[in-house]
Amino acid sequence: DTEVTQTPKHLVMGMTNKKSLKCEQHMGHRAMYWYKQKAKKPPELMFVYSYEKLSINESVPSRFSPECPNSSLLNLHLHALQPEDSALYLCASSQGPGGSEYNEQFFGPGTRLTVL
Amino acid sequence: AQSVTQLDSHVSVSEGTPVLLRCNYSSSYSPSLFWYVQHPNKGLQLLLKYTSAATLVKGINGFEAEFKKSETSFHLTKPSAHMSDAAEYFCVVSKSGGYQKVTFGTGTKLQVIP
Repeated sequence: DTEVTQTPKHLVMGMTNKKSLKCEQHMGHRAMYWYKQKAKKPPELMFVYSYEKLSINESVPSRFSPECPNSSLLNLHLHALQPEDSALYLCASSQGPGGSEYNEQFFGPGTRLTVL
Repeated sequence: AQSVTQLDSHVSVSEGTPVLLRCNYSSSYSPSLFWYVQHPNKGLQLLLKYTSAATLVKGINGFEAEFKKSETSFHLTKPSAHMSDAAEYFCVVSKSGGYQKVTFGTGTKLQVIP
């Protein structure tokens, strides 16, 4: 299984709502990532988890809260978002530390988020 | 430090003609290089990756890329474009053996004209 799954595919939320994005992989990967992608732009790294611990936070606003409950799951909790947070949110995974020399990332299909 | 430059933001080819998407990189250490494709409203799919074993890398769907250290380039080619190749393509560089931060190019949108 070389698939990264993400739910939901689409999400519309108001600025006062609380919602969560979910990501799952069963490849035994120990590194997982959240990216934000705006239209016609490359993905921007938000967070990296390594062995279920947060290793990189790219100065993301606190209204985005990541969580890694176990080695296969990654969540992104959303609260009090702004309309400019509307984007495609991509999850990815890779083997992580000690993995192959060419540690490519496998991407999920993304969640299209619209903040009203 | 590392960076990647995709030299064309938009490339248009006729179906059945060759494709060339250009990528130059800069890296202060031995790089890993990747090409990803993204179809509209989809995630990124790995096309191919550079391994030091071979400078000419073959990927999926008939794509290949050649690593040229002297030119710091990793251009993506395909002999004959298909309509299904129309998508956004990203060249990506990371530190060889590194797993955390990768650097994306700004992307090249490939249009295939019937």
